[in-house]
Amino acid sequence: AQSVTQPDIHITVSEGASLELRCNYSYGATPYLFWYVQSPGQGLQLLLKYFSGDTLVQGIKGFEAEFKRSQSSFNLRKPSVHWSDAAEYFCAVGAGFQKLVFGTGTRLLVSP
Amino acid sequence: GAVVSQHPSWVICKSGTSVKIECRSLDFQATTMFWYRQFPKQSLMLMATSNEGSKATYEQGVEKDKFLINHASLTLSTLTVTSAHPEDSSFYICSARLAGDLYNEQFFGPGTRLTVL
Repeated sequence: AQSVTQPDIHITVSEGASLELRCNYSYGATPYLFWYVQSPGQGLQLLLKYFSGDTLVQGIKGFEAEFKRSQSSFNLRKPSVHWSDAAEYFCAVGAGFQKLVFGTGTRLLVSP
Repeated sequence: GAVVSQHPSWVICKSGTSVKIECRSLDFQATTMFWYRQFPKQSLMLMATSNEGSKATYEQGVEKDKFLINHASLTLSTLTVTSAHPEDSSFYICSARLAGDLYNEQFFGPGTRLTVL
């Protein structure tokens, strides 16, 4: 069965510092991978997605993620964090017509 | 593009009453919509998959008679919480997948906060 692990429940980063959020997945075939962001009381916004091809994926708001098949990882990165990036981040895996499976989320706190 | 709306954004109701939540794809056709439930500080739990013109597929442990789902058109799915009780209080989020999409990319609504007194 497919699964997603986000090992960090919460992370605190200073504004302007770089960010990396970890995501590991378990999937029997080539996965389709997603990163979503959720602000308090809001729905989910898609940051980026990986289906195939270039393993370094660029997304919105300056985020990028790298698919590493050998490590079953799809970590999210941003070179310089802004206070407005504080939110909950969810990694998800799914393919074809199967349901999306979400990780437990990582809460990002940005300190001044 | 690919905007999904939900109505209402929040609702408070008395125990025993029924509440209907609408999920609309505003600028695309969605043959498949999904309903999720999210408890505070937790991840999303898929409740059911809704396919236009057919019965919804419920996840294990979700009571289909309590959470009625109707997907009557390519742009509208509704979730009705019947005889709501305080334990049904939660944040309900829908998502929609474009007709013909093969990659399972879902577009999410803003969510509906349900509080049952």
